[in-house]
Amino acid sequence: AQSVTQLDSHVSVSEGTPVLLRCNYSSSYSPSLFWYVQHPNKGLQLLLKYTSAATLVKGINGFEAEFKKSETSFHLTKPSAHMSDAAEYFCVVSELGNTGKLIFGQGTTLQVKP
Amino acid sequence: GAVVSQHPSWVICKSGTSVKIECRSLDFQATTMFWYRQFPKQSLMLMATSNEGSKATYEQGVEKDKFLINHASLTLSTLTVTSAHPEDSSFYICSALPGLAGGVIYEQFFGPGTRLTVL
Repeated sequence: AQSVTQLDSHVSVSEGTPVLLRCNYSSSYSPSLFWYVQHPNKGLQLLLKYTSAATLVKGINGFEAEFKKSETSFHLTKPSAHMSDAAEYFCVVSELGNTGKLIFGQGTTLQVKP
Repeated sequence: GAVVSQHPSWVICKSGTSVKIECRSLDFQATTMFWYRQFPKQSLMLMATSNEGSKATYEQGVEKDKFLINHASLTLSTLTVTSAHPEDSSFYICSALPGLAGGVIYEQFFGPGTRLTVL
């Protein structure tokens, strides 16, 4: 069965410093992986997605993620945090079989300190 | 970009009443819509998959008679919480999938959510 594990429930960084949000996945096949961001009381926005093309995926707002099959990881990074990046981040894997179903990780709360 | 709306954005109701939440894809047709539930500080839990013109498929543990889903058109799905109780209070989020063609998974687009409070 597909699953994702977000290794940190809460990450705190200072504005201008790098961001690293960690995600490991479990899949029998090459998965489709996503990172979504959720600002308070708002819907989810897609940051980036990996669908078996380039392993380094660039997303919106300066975020990127690298798919590492050997480590079963798909960590999200950003070189310099901005106050507006404070939000909840979800690592997501697509269920096998083209059902369209998404399986969400538990989420990581990113706090950005001034 | 593709936009999904939800109405209402928040609702407060008395215990025992029913509440209907609408999910609309504004600028595309959605063959499939999904309904999620999110408790405070928690992740999204898929409740059901809604396909236009057919019965919804519910995830294990979700009461289909309590959470009625109707997907009457390619742009509208509704979730009705029947005989709501305080434990049904939650943030309900829908998403819409433009379509599945040739094995390619198109991006899901999420609505802004509906906060339900049952007194």
